[in-house]
Amino acid sequence: QSALTQPASVSGSPGQSITISCTGTSSDIGSTNLVSWYQQLPGKAPKLLIYEVTKRPSGVSHRFSGSKSGNTASLTISGLQPEDEVDYYCCSYEGSSSSPFVFGTGTRVTVL
Amino acid sequence: EVQLVESGGGVVRPGGSLRLSCAASGFIFDDYAMSWVRQVPGKGLEWVSDVNWSGDNTAYADSVQGRFTVSRDNADNSLSLQMNSLRAEDTALYYCARQMRDCNRISCFTVYAFDMWGQGTMVSVSS
Repeated sequence: QSALTQPASVSGSPGQSITISCTGTSSDIGSTNLVSWYQQLPGKAPKLLIYEVTKRPSGVSHRFSGSKSGNTASLTISGLQPEDEVDYYCCSYEGSSSSPFVFGTGTRVTVL
Repeated sequence: EVQLVESGGGVVRPGGSLRLSCAASGFIFDDYAMSWVRQVPGKGLEWVSDVNWSGDNTAYADSVQGRFTVSRDNADNSLSLQMNSLRAEDTALYYCARQMRDCNRISCFTVYAFDMWGQGTMVSVSS
């Protein structure tokens, strides 16, 4: 199972909105609503931002939102802040696959 | 405190073995499926393995199938990963992660996302 494809970097100015894409195939993202997103600060474990494509766990800022269209999932960060300048990963789960969890390649967000 | 704490990492020669452990606290351990996820420093995340709440259903990434074995001890609130026939490409930081549960008015169920992570334990395979 190949990693999901994310842009290596995405940038935006403070206060702007940015969108990180996560592209898979009809065998992973295209066939499941079990897509999650994680934020990883340097030297720290990942933190769950979004699950089941659009849902936010308790305590996660409303500035983070998720969506999906076809084989591509997306994470939108609204009102970009300097502390958002870290790494983000998507992940999909497809239970019928031999490797059911697949992560994305990761995206570094830069706040200009 | 709700936490996961990994241990057991270290330096091992190719072909060697290592056993990782993850101690869980602050939550009802046997309510949750658990997973191992690894990350080469400076690189992306890779799912390695998971085990259901009771320990009788496991899954592995193709890259570790047949070499790694995941298990859990619900009486001891612990998760383990036995790693045999280690290769240089297994060098990574290994995280223990909890699979999130969501609940409606009737029941609770796994939503196949990782809502709690340990701090990781480093495994280096080198001659």
